[in-house]
Amino acid sequence: DTAVSQTPKYLVTQMGNDKSIKCEQNLGHDTMYWYKQDSKKFLKIMFSYNNKELIINETVPNRFSPKSPDKAHLNLHINSLELGDSAVYFCASSPMTGDGELFFGEGSRLTVL
Amino acid sequence: AQSVAQPEDQVNVAEGNPLTVKCTYSVSGNPYLFWYVQYPNRGLQFLLKYITGDNLVKGSYGFEAEFNKSQTSFHLKKPSALVSDSALYFCASGYSTLTFGKGTMLLVSP
Repeated sequence: DTAVSQTPKYLVTQMGNDKSIKCEQNLGHDTMYWYKQDSKKFLKIMFSYNNKELIINETVPNRFSPKSPDKAHLNLHINSLELGDSAVYFCASSPMTGDGELFFGEGSRLTVL
Repeated sequence: AQSVAQPEDQVNVAEGNPLTVKCTYSVSGNPYLFWYVQYPNRGLQFLLKYITGDNLVKGSYGFEAEFNKSQTSFHLKKPSALVSDSALYFCASGYSTLTFGKGTMLLVSP
């Protein structure tokens, strides 16, 4: 009954590879997000989708491409992985844009070797 | 633009004592302010928010926060700390998207 679920939880890969992280929410929320948390625990918004439409795209390399097949899913695909991409990636959802009360997934720890 | 600052990397408090985790904000217009908690290897959990209204906001797990406009602060408080409150606490601000502070580690000793 997990509200926001992400897979995989851990991902170890080599530089240059392409990988995806999937996110699903069963809360019926309209808005979903991807956040990146670095090794110093600093959190930064990457993308925000409202009802499958991209509404926020922060300064993120275009190697990162989000995809929302429906409003319950927001996946993150990363091409040509670099060492600096190592981080914990959090998916979150909220009832509507501007609500501020986000529901976070457990995170996906990406390690690039 | 909205931003928050958490001046303390770590706060140490003994169990049973009151705790305060500090947050100051810098916003243009009305601030939307939030507190989140992150336990080890977990996602963030929402604690409370201030949008408008009463300056004292009550949230989950016995936490509260006081919005102080003159001091541009939104400190998180709890009257009596528990060891299980030990976690990383984030202050955040924003409307369409949240900007988080750097986090403050709270350590409650038995």
